[in-house]
Amino acid sequence: KQEVTQIPAALSVPEGENLVLNCSFTDSAIYNLQWFRQDPGKGLTSLLLIQSSQREQTSGRLNASLDKSSGRSTLYIAASQPGDSATYLCAVKGTGGFKTIFGAGTRLFVKA
Amino acid sequence: NAGVTQTPKFRVLKTGQSMTLLCAQDMNHEYMYWYRQDPGMGLRLIHYSVGEGTTAKGEVPDGYNVSRLKKQNFLLGLESAAPSQTSVYFCASSLWTGVSYEQYFGPGTRLTVT
Repeated sequence: KQEVTQIPAALSVPEGENLVLNCSFTDSAIYNLQWFRQDPGKGLTSLLLIQSSQREQTSGRLNASLDKSSGRSTLYIAASQPGDSATYLCAVKGTGGFKTIFGAGTRLFVKA
Repeated sequence: NAGVTQTPKFRVLKTGQSMTLLCAQDMNHEYMYWYRQDPGMGLRLIHYSVGEGTTAKGEVPDGYNVSRLKKQNFLLGLESAAPSQTSVYFCASSLWTGVSYEQYFGPGTRLTVT
């Protein structure tokens, strides 16, 4: 059974710092991995989607990497800003069926 | 494009009452999903649909029913609400692009069962 873990559960950094959020999964037979952002009281916004055949994806200040063999993905945020404060969720879609397994998220707070 | 919308945004129910949550999407997506999100846990799939007229059970289907009578709508029903169903419910839809399934989420419905 696929399990997705995100560590740390919460992170506080000063503005301008580069930071890395971690996501680990137990079953390497994945179809894709998606990173989402969730603002308080809001829905999820897709940030990056990495196919199982890809190693990384980039969008602006965000870079997501995928290492299937070790069951890990990282989301790198460069030059963090207070507007980046949110909860970041990773979600893994397996190769069979339509189920996507979500991590519990990392709550990020960027201090001005 | 409104994307994925959910009705209502908030609801308080008494134990044993019933209600229906409505999800609508205007992106012509084939696949639709209902998730629940509880504190400290990831989203968990309740039911999903791969097309109009089809539904299937997800990870936590007990106590819920769904219907997909029209492609753009996916309804989630609670026949007899229980306090354990207090949660935030998210609807999502996705489209197979030939490369990937990417999910788009609605804003959520916060349900409290007393």
